[in-house]
Amino acid sequence: DQQVKQNSPSLSVQEGRISILNCDYTNSMFDYFLWYKKYPAEGPTFLISISSIKDKNEDGRFTVFLNKSAKHLSLHIVPSQPGDSAVYFCAASESNFNKFYFGSGTKLNVKP
Amino acid sequence: NAGVMQNPRHLVRRRGQEARLRCSPVKGHSHVYWYRQLPEEGLKFMVYLQKENIIDESGMPKERFSAEFPKEGPSILRIQQVVRGDSAAYFCASSTDPRAEAFFGQGTRLTVV
Repeated sequence: DQQVKQNSPSLSVQEGRISILNCDYTNSMFDYFLWYKKYPAEGPTFLISISSIKDKNEDGRFTVFLNKSAKHLSLHIVPSQPGDSAVYFCAASESNFNKFYFGSGTKLNVKP
Repeated sequence: NAGVMQNPRHLVRRRGQEARLRCSPVKGHSHVYWYRQLPEEGLKFMVYLQKENIIDESGMPKERFSAEFPKEGPSILRIQQVVRGDSAAYFCASSTDPRAEAFFGQGTRLTVV
């Protein structure tokens, strides 16, 4: 049972444009959400998080939006840079506990 | 300031052999988590350990898999009598407490031939 879903396996964006990565979840008990970035042959690196008491969190070029009623979150990268090319994983947990449920990832390619 | 260190990075085992994966957490971190990533899939939680204790092993297969995090030394994920389906990337993460940011290692890629 996939509790966190990323339905787009890949996304291609031109440098300088906005990248929007989407994630849906089914478990209403999730209250902490994160995005991880992963390069080939490396471990995931924490990017940004949001708790369920907020609907938006911003950190530089990265913004995460949470729509609890739709059980949907998205990551916006503006402007996109070639160095952002990586696989992005959405993850969720209950009560900030580090037992995460990961989506299957979206491979972002930012073209120069 | 070393991060999470996993070794070996690559491990090849024949069917029926044992695989031992090691994870040294960030210095000062006493909480360790193991995840498995099968090809084309996301990471799946396996087990959460605190020094000398297994806190949550709900993601561990019931047989052949075990994990420990002794008082001294690295955390070990042990897979006995490996089968081809065990081929995956195994990631370890550590944190200072369950609510603090978890840092991931680079993973061990296990190939069973």
